[in-house]
Amino acid sequence: DADVTQTPRNRITKTGKRIMLECSQTKGHDRMYWYRQDPGLGLRLIYYSFDVKDINKGEISDGYSVSRQAQAKFSLSLESAIPNQTALYFCATSVRGLETQYFGPGTRLLVL
Amino acid sequence: DAKTTQPPSMDCAEGRAANLPCNHSTISGNEYVYWYRQIHSQGPQYIIHGLKNNETNEMASLIITEDRKSSTLILPHATLRDTAVYYCIVRVYGGSQGNLIFGKGTKLSVKP
Repeated sequence: DADVTQTPRNRITKTGKRIMLECSQTKGHDRMYWYRQDPGLGLRLIYYSFDVKDINKGEISDGYSVSRQAQAKFSLSLESAIPNQTALYFCATSVRGLETQYFGPGTRLLVL
Repeated sequence: DAKTTQPPSMDCAEGRAANLPCNHSTISGNEYVYWYRQIHSQGPQYIIHGLKNNETNEMASLIITEDRKSSTLILPHATLRDTAVYYCIVRVYGGSQGNLIFGKGTKLSVKP
């Protein structure tokens, strides 16, 4: 969905480096999410935010941090990247009261 | 959220209806059935959702059994572009938890 954009789309980094993945949305949604997907598996939630001042950990938050700079922007940081964080990362948005989530195109991250 | 069971894979001939089943025998009264699909490494795409009545939109139809323990997603005239992994998800509408729980889904292959 073009209303949810993620940058970069692909990233190669080295172990120990700090990197940031960014998500922007023009849908006007108040809720935003970060998921990761490993090959052959479903998506798992890393962090979610119901509004700018509300940040919540998901099931696999260790090694990650987030920042909700504005309603439209939600960034995911890997403070010190490790190889098992190699995955496909998706950002999603939704509106309070509606459960439909709209996903971005994904960021493919490779940690060497 | 209730657990769902889907067949790992299905084939369908192009132009035919694709009927994707989902079992959710532990579904509770306030849980909705949602369907998403993911086309090869793209962001998941919302298809349809329902509570107990059958639902139809421009993409698909959702048939929920009277006891709500199972449902079927119907793509009336499957095309090659419908080849994807289809996820059946059950969750409370307006629930406090943010995430969608993605299982392994059904890999639908539409063949010419």
